[in-house]
Amino acid sequence: GESVGLHLPTLSVQEGDNSIINCAYSNSASDYFIWYKQESGKGPQFIIDIRSNMDKRQGQRVTVLLNKTVKHLSLQIAATQPGDSAVYFCAEIGAGTALIFGKGTTLSVSS
Amino acid sequence: NAGVMQNPRHLVRRRGQEARLRCSPMKGHSHVYWYRQLPEEGLKFMVYLQKENIIDESGMPKERFSAEFPKEGPSILRIQQVVRGDSAAYFCASSLNQNYLFSGNTIYFGEGSWLTVV
Repeated sequence: GESVGLHLPTLSVQEGDNSIINCAYSNSASDYFIWYKQESGKGPQFIIDIRSNMDKRQGQRVTVLLNKTVKHLSLQIAATQPGDSAVYFCAEIGAGTALIFGKGTTLSVSS
Repeated sequence: NAGVMQNPRHLVRRRGQEARLRCSPMKGHSHVYWYRQLPEEGLKFMVYLQKENIIDESGMPKERFSAEFPKEGPSILRIQQVVRGDSAAYFCASSLNQNYLFSGNTIYFGEGSWLTVV
């Protein structure tokens, strides 16, 4: 079946470092991908998205890379801050219906 | 507040009671999605609705669970005869339509409803 997974369940970085969170997806028909950030007790917060006709998209301190050849997605956070500590999910639109989530990567930022 | 609104934020029900969770999508959005999240896990798709129509309910349990999105008013996720295993966070999301290749259309989530069954 369709699935979206993340390579690492946890990632610990120092404040100021760059963080890279990876995600592999399995549905080659997916054409839209979103990264969400979820803090404890809150809903998923939209960070950045990318459509399949692009391979890179930049936001404020975040960059998403899409490699359709190997079905890989990554989120890069520049100059990571303590406020970036959260669980990060990638999600894909599969078969034109449901948004499918992976299990998430917990990012811990220490000062 | 123009975001996705969910209520109640927290709900406690005894086993066998009914739980009703409400979701008002963002202004102008006519597509609603419901997800369930167990502790320490990801979000699992339950159901996708448009106004007055269920588009995809492949993630909904066959019994006790139902969802609607009437022409007027919020979307409702209804759980009948709740059991302890229904305890979870339920998230609602909305989008403008399903054309995600259109810049500016994406899926936004509410802050969730936490159901505890005692």
